[in-house]
Amino acid sequence: AQSVTQLDSQVPVFEEAPVELRCNYSSSVSVYLFWYVQYPNQGLQLLLKYLSGSTLVKGINGFEAEFNKSQTSFHLRKPSVHISDTAEYFCAVSEGNKLVFGAGTILRVKS
Amino acid sequence: SAVISQKPSRDICQRGTSLTIQCQVDSQVTMMFWYRQQPGQSLTLIATANQGSEATYESGFVIDKFPISRPNLTFSTLTVSNMSPEDSSIYLCSVVRGERGYEQYFGPGTRLTVT
Repeated sequence: AQSVTQLDSQVPVFEEAPVELRCNYSSSVSVYLFWYVQYPNQGLQLLLKYLSGSTLVKGINGFEAEFNKSQTSFHLRKPSVHISDTAEYFCAVSEGNKLVFGAGTILRVKS
Repeated sequence: SAVISQKPSRDICQRGTSLTIQCQVDSQVTMMFWYRQQPGQSLTLIATANQGSEATYESGFVIDKFPISRPNLTFSTLTVSNMSPEDSSIYLCSVVRGERGYEQYFGPGTRLTVT
């Protein structure tokens, strides 16, 4: 069975600073990878996805992620964060049609 | 993407009662999923609901506790039965979309508090 590890439960960062949220998954076979964002009191929104092709994928709101097969990682990055990016971010990996989620990382952007 | 609505958005219920949560999608989908997000935790899949067949439950979840209906390709319900405070969670439905059928889109969730 797949598993996903998000290495940081919380990441505090100042506004306009860069940020990286780390994600590692367990499988060595072909997988599909996703990042979702959950703003306070809201549902989950798909931020970006890796299905195949270029290992650098770009998503909404200026986020991007890099798929690294040898390290089984899919870290999320943004070069300059805004206060509005404060939210919880979930990494997920496909298992058939199902998704297995990581524990989540709370990004707190401070002014 | 997909437009997904859930009712109710939140509820406070007494232990021992049941609550039925509705999920409506703006277009026909084959697969719908129900997830639970307990306070401060990640999402856990409860079951997969396919139209015309019984739902498939994940380990740790049973039909008697979480009966699911899927009467058509745009609608599903999840019932949380005989509730206890441990059932206090956000319940989310999702559907699969995208060119390869692997992208899941989520409803806004139903926040349930059991007292």
